[in-house]
Amino acid sequence: DAGVTQSPTHLIKTRGQQVTLRCSPKSGHDTVSWYQQALGQGPQFIFQYYEEEERQRGNFPDRFSGHQFPNYSSELNVNALLLGDSALYLCASSEWTGGVMRTEAFFGQGTRLTVV
Amino acid sequence: RKEVEQDPGPFNVPEGATVAFNCTYSNSASQSFFWYRQDCRKEPKLLMSVYSSGNEDGRFTAQLNRASQYISLLIRDSKLSDSATYLCVVSVTNAGKSTFGDGTTLTVKP
Repeated sequence: DAGVTQSPTHLIKTRGQQVTLRCSPKSGHDTVSWYQQALGQGPQFIFQYYEEEERQRGNFPDRFSGHQFPNYSSELNVNALLLGDSALYLCASSEWTGGVMRTEAFFGQGTRLTVV
Repeated sequence: RKEVEQDPGPFNVPEGATVAFNCTYSNSASQSFFWYRQDCRKEPKLLMSVYSSGNEDGRFTAQLNRASQYISLLIRDSKLSDSATYLCVVSVTNAGKSTFGDGTTLTVKP
C-alpha cells in the first residue's frame, strides 16, 4: 500500500504565479483534505473533497481552489501567489461513510512551496 | 482565541521522565479527538485517538475532559525517540474538517 502520495515534494514559484499540487489518497479512502502548515504552526485546514465536491472549507481566500477526480485523487490550485503562501502543503485522506469518519486521516509527506 | 490551544513548550526532559501535555478546545460540539506526532520536516502521523473513558497505548495515556474541554497526553518512561512535536487535533463529526493545535515540542535528552 503506497499510502498518501503528493507531488511535487518541493517547488519554488515567483509572486503572482499559479501553482498546482497533486495528491493521491491511500487505497480505499474516498475523502481528501488539504492543509497549509507554516513554520512553527500546526496544519490549517484549507478544504475537503468528497465525491468530487468541496464539502468543507476553512478560512482561505478564493485564490485557493481544488478539484477531486473520479479516482479520488485531488489537486490544490493557488492563484496569484503571495510570499505568505510559502508553507508545507499537506494532503490527508480518510474514509467517510454516512457522515462519519470511518478511518483516521493519513497524511502525505507534503509539498514544500517557496514563493520568492 | 484559537479553537485549539496547546502549550508550545519546548519541554526538555531526561530519558525515563514522565511528561504531560494539555490541550484545550473551544468548540463544545467537538466529537472526535486525536494526538498526532510530527517529526521535524515530516508529515503528521496519528499517535492515538482519545476516547471519553481515557485510553492507554503502551507508555502513552490519553484522557478527555468534556466538561472542561481539554484533552491530555501522558508519556511515561520517555525515550530519545519520543522527541518530536505533538499535535492535538479536534474534529466536529460530520463537519468534515479537523482543527489542529500548533503543537508542543518535546526533546528527550540522554
